[in-house]
Amino acid sequence: ETGVTQTPRHLVMGMTNKKSLKCEQHLGHNAMYWYKQSAKKPLELMFVYSLEERVENNSVPSRFSPECPNSSHLFLHLHTLQPEDSALYLCASSQATGVSTGELFFGEGSRLTVL
Amino acid sequence: GNSVTQMEGPVTLSEEAFLTINCTYTATGYPSLFWYVQYPGEGLQLLLKATKADDKGSNKGFEATYRKETTSFHLEKGSVQVSDSAVYFCALSPFGNKLTFGTGTQLKVEL
Repeated sequence: ETGVTQTPRHLVMGMTNKKSLKCEQHLGHNAMYWYKQSAKKPLELMFVYSLEERVENNSVPSRFSPECPNSSHLFLHLHTLQPEDSALYLCASSQATGVSTGELFFGEGSRLTVL
Repeated sequence: GNSVTQMEGPVTLSEEAFLTINCTYTATGYPSLFWYVQYPGEGLQLLLKATKADDKGSNKGFEATYRKETTSFHLEKGSVQVSDSAVYFCALSPFGNKLTFGTGTQLKVEL
């Protein structure tokens, strides 16, 4: 496999469920990102990991919990979500955040629906 | 703070028409500017970029010029194709790879 792979592609969950989104990159990058894409809103940067350390958390509610066990994998753990959390969640990777190329490589996204 | 404003879509054009998608930004300093494209069912991918004033980014027939005086980075293409149908995102980065994106503009090209 190449590039950035996200699973599952679609997820439907109730507000009391616990689920996780997974992202894997095969590009040799050492920075990974979670973005939230909602209709008619700018992409929202949620979390940034660089060299497996969280370097940014943009005031995201605690019901979203990221985990980066190594430079190739990134998870987003979900629990007690709200219907307004329904969105497309995008994972991206890049060279280290301090290397200014502006090129992020995105996965296809996980479409989350909260009932 | 930093922000990017894009024209609302969808933009619907006939094949071979001229395309302009407007983008303006607010930022401190001199950010780098980008256009990303998201084809149906796919993730975003970098289309073009410009890193300083008056630079022109270009790729696949698309162009955008970094205009510091008007804080704009409008995307243009002289003749669109059906395969250009996608969502286009304007973005900026003051440093590193921390990008601020706009809302995206959907382009639909019809035969």
